[in-house]
Amino acid sequence: QKEVEQDPGPLSVPEGAIVSLNCTYSNSAFQYFMWYRQYSRKGPELLMYTYSSGNKEDGRFTAQVDKSSKYISLFIRDSQPSDSATYLCAMVIQGAQKLVFGQGTRLTINP
Amino acid sequence: DVKVTQSSRYLVKRTGEKVFLECVQDMDHENMFWYRQDPGLGLRLIYFSYDVKMKEKGDIPEGYSVSREKKERFSLILESASTNQTSMYLCASTPEGSNQPQHFGDGTRLSIL
Repeated sequence: QKEVEQDPGPLSVPEGAIVSLNCTYSNSAFQYFMWYRQYSRKGPELLMYTYSSGNKEDGRFTAQVDKSSKYISLFIRDSQPSDSATYLCAMVIQGAQKLVFGQGTRLTINP
Repeated sequence: DVKVTQSSRYLVKRTGEKVFLECVQDMDHENMFWYRQDPGLGLRLIYFSYDVKMKEKGDIPEGYSVSREKKERFSLILESASTNQTSMYLCASTPEGSNQPQHFGDGTRLSIL
């Protein structure tokens, strides 16, 4: 079993829809959580960085962490074609430098 | 903004060649990382470095070595390239300390023929 599980998709939704992307993890030592967006032929760029359980909002993006369930989510409101990309979750154990990544979910927003 | 620059976007080499992939960051970061990214396998850590001349093996170091002679530069070396090393290679950096998100370059797509 992988430490971090993420459905690779692909996920295709119409423009304007609310998108929900999820990761589950098995190691309760993970304390910091990140979401990256990766456009085709580009490197991952940091989208959200969270620590505590609960929600963190940034514009149309909301990151949600539920440590009791070992489950994190990224919500995209009013999705745009420009949101089409692969989304990677990542997490790190307190005091560590190495990130553990999910496999990434490929998302397409259709105009 | 952090800038991580990988010297080549696309590279084609032959089996058995010694291949150098270069990465430079401009934010005085202590930690630097090399990953490869393959469909269905996600990002896998090859090596990382937390200081000049210091290195640690990641999850898949076999067939690779690294060099960090200067703080801003981290090189990945394929000693004798093989076709199964055809992949997207990504470099990343973070400042000193733990729990930090990583900043990535745009990757080098390497093909070994």
